[in-house]
Amino acid sequence: DVKVTQSSRYLVKRTGEKVFLECVQDMDHENMFWYRQDPGLGLRLIYFSYDVKMKEKGDIPEGYSVSREKKERFSLILESASTNQTSMYLCASRRTVQETQYFGPGTRLLVL
Amino acid sequence: RKEVEQDPGPFNVPEGATVAFNCTYSNSASQSFFWYRQDCRKEPKLLMSVYSSGNEDGRFTAQLNRASQYISLLIRDSKLSDSATYLCVVLRGGGYNKLIFGAGTRLAVHP
Repeated sequence: DVKVTQSSRYLVKRTGEKVFLECVQDMDHENMFWYRQDPGLGLRLIYFSYDVKMKEKGDIPEGYSVSREKKERFSLILESASTNQTSMYLCASRRTVQETQYFGPGTRLLVL
Repeated sequence: RKEVEQDPGPFNVPEGATVAFNCTYSNSASQSFFWYRQDCRKEPKLLMSVYSSGNEDGRFTAQLNRASQYISLLIRDSKLSDSATYLCVVLRGGGYNKLIFGAGTRLAVHP
């Protein structure tokens, strides 16, 4: 069974803080993704990575950065959290485009 | 205009009913299509892929109309456990093959 885990289920941070969200998958998938999900907007792609040390911007990368130093781990970084980054953050991985994309349980981030 | 559009619902139906959801997509170069299911406060999970010829998985039937650029999901004999949000997902072609998610259609099945 594929497992995608995220470091926290709930997180509360203050405006201006640096925030790290970690994601780990155990199936040796090449591709990993970070999304945010907001009511009425659905899942929007922030960044993705198709290999170690490779990263590509998604549709809404502003205010975020990512790091992929190891194949199994993909981190999302909010350099200076803002209230409009309050959201549900979902990590996902998949092997190839033809295969299922598996999601982690999500992190609910509240920025005060 | 959103790239993938769905009626947000909610669709409130009694057990045993048949319910259908539609989804439209704007990018004619879209290559592959899926339905994901998301339970409340949980992550999305793949329900089924959608093939050009249409496909069925038990009580669920998915259809694709490329000419009109819409996808449908039909659920027969609804169960209480079908209550969830159903996400229409399209694989945007070119480049790195990104999945584009609709905002979801909420289904509530009641006794």
